[in-house]
Amino acid sequence: AQKVTQAQTEISVVEKEDVTLDCVYETRDTTYYLFWYKQPPSGELVFLIRRNSFDEQNEISGRYSWNFQKSTSSFNFTITASQVVDSAVYFCALSEVGGYGGATNKLIFGTGTLLAVQP
Amino acid sequence: NAGVTQTPKFQVLKTGQSMTLQCAQDMNHEYMSWYRQDPGMGLRLIHYSVGAGITDQGEVPNGYNVSRSTTEDFPLRLLSAAPSQTSVYFCASSYLGLATYNEQFFGPGTRLTVL
Repeated sequence: AQKVTQAQTEISVVEKEDVTLDCVYETRDTTYYLFWYKQPPSGELVFLIRRNSFDEQNEISGRYSWNFQKSTSSFNFTITASQVVDSAVYFCALSEVGGYGGATNKLIFGTGTLLAVQP
Repeated sequence: NAGVTQTPKFQVLKTGQSMTLQCAQDMNHEYMSWYRQDPGMGLRLIHYSVGAGITDQGEVPNGYNVSRSTTEDFPLRLLSAAPSQTSVYFCASSYLGLATYNEQFFGPGTRLTVL
C-alpha cells in the first residue's frame, strides 16, 4: 500500500537558518508523482512542487530546493535562509497512477511538519 | 477566474443533523475530490469524481455522500452528522491524465464542528 511518512512533527528554527523537511514514501508503482504543499496559518493549501518518478534531478526554486532519491524513497525539502513567512505546516504527498488516462489523481498525504521560524 | 470555491467557511451542527458542503470550480477540470484534515493525520481522501456522473470512494467515505451532475459542482453531503466528523474539509480539482497532469487546486476549506 502507498504511504507517506513525515517523521518530523514540529521543527523550530531561528530566522536565516537552513532547514530540511524529510519525506519518505512507500509505493509499489513504478510510475508515481510526489508533491509538496504548504499550509500557512491562514489555512489554505499552496502547491510548491510536483516531481515524477522518472525525474530524479534535484530542483531549486529561490530559497527552496528538493532532493529526490529513489534509492532511499525520499523526497526531502530544504529551505535556505529561512524567514518568518516560511512558518507553516508542510505536507508531502504521493499520487497513485493508473486507471483513467494513466493517472488517478488521488493524493496520499503525510501527516505534515509544522515549521516555526523565530525572528 | 475564481478557482475552487467552497461554502460555507464555517459550520456548527448538532449530532444527527444533515448538511451539504458546496464545492465549485470554473477551470473545466474533470477531476474533483474531497479531503478531510484532522490534527496529526494529514489530509485523507473521502470521495472523488473523474467526470460528471462518475464518483468513487476514497479512504474514509463512511457517513458521506457525493454526486456530480455537472463538471463544475461536487457537493459533499453529511447524512447524519457525528462528532467524529468534526474536521476541516477541502475540495480539490485538477485535469486528468499524465500528459496534461497539473497540480490539484484546493479550495479554502470548510471548518465543521459537530456537537
